[in-house]
Amino acid sequence: GAVVSQHPSRVICKSGTSVKIECRSLDFQATTMFWYRQFPKKSLMLMATSNEGSKATYEQGVEKDKFLINHASLTLSTLTVTSAHPEDSSFYICSAKPGGPNYGYTFGSGTRLTVV
Amino acid sequence: DQQVKQNSPSLSVQEGRISILNCDYTNSMFDYFLWYKKYPAEGPTFLISISSIKDKNEDGRFTVFLNKSAKHLSLHIVPSQPGDSAVYFCAASDGTASKLTFGTGTRLQVTL
Repeated sequence: GAVVSQHPSRVICKSGTSVKIECRSLDFQATTMFWYRQFPKKSLMLMATSNEGSKATYEQGVEKDKFLINHASLTLSTLTVTSAHPEDSSFYICSAKPGGPNYGYTFGSGTRLTVV
Repeated sequence: DQQVKQNSPSLSVQEGRISILNCDYTNSMFDYFLWYKKYPAEGPTFLISISSIKDKNEDGRFTVFLNKSAKHLSLHIVPSQPGDSAVYFCAASDGTASKLTFGTGTRLQVTL
């Protein structure tokens, strides 16, 4: 079945540094990938839609310069949290939609980011 | 290896009737389960969750049932409303709060 691999699963970084999270579709091509953020026991919030070969579409309230998204190929999207601060600590999840309209979304397993 | 499975990609239910969405999992380490709802072009929204110490959790029209021995959970929506038409995802956590495993979703359509 369709698999989305997300790496790393956990990362701890110091304030002010940048962290890159990778999202790969392993057995299908994804022209569009989605990045979500989830706070503890809260809903997933869509941060941005990553489009292969073009700029990402960010949701309202999401800082484009802080969360850099690059979708350079049909199987890879990256999210870079720049100049991370403790309030950026969260659970980030990517997803892609491998099939037609009746096919479910495939999610990565998520990345737990802790900024200290 | 899909550890959380939603075997029905789509479901159609008449307004007013009960919608039952099913989810199966294989990892016995999962101990917290969630259901999300997603409208097109929007992020998923959290619906309801259940801990493995319970077998039922109810919130308004939504009830989640957990059968640990069968590794099965279900979401019941009653009465179903047209606004419930969306894609529903179940998800599971292994308790470390560092990883959520999601199902692939079931598209629910509530017809008039």
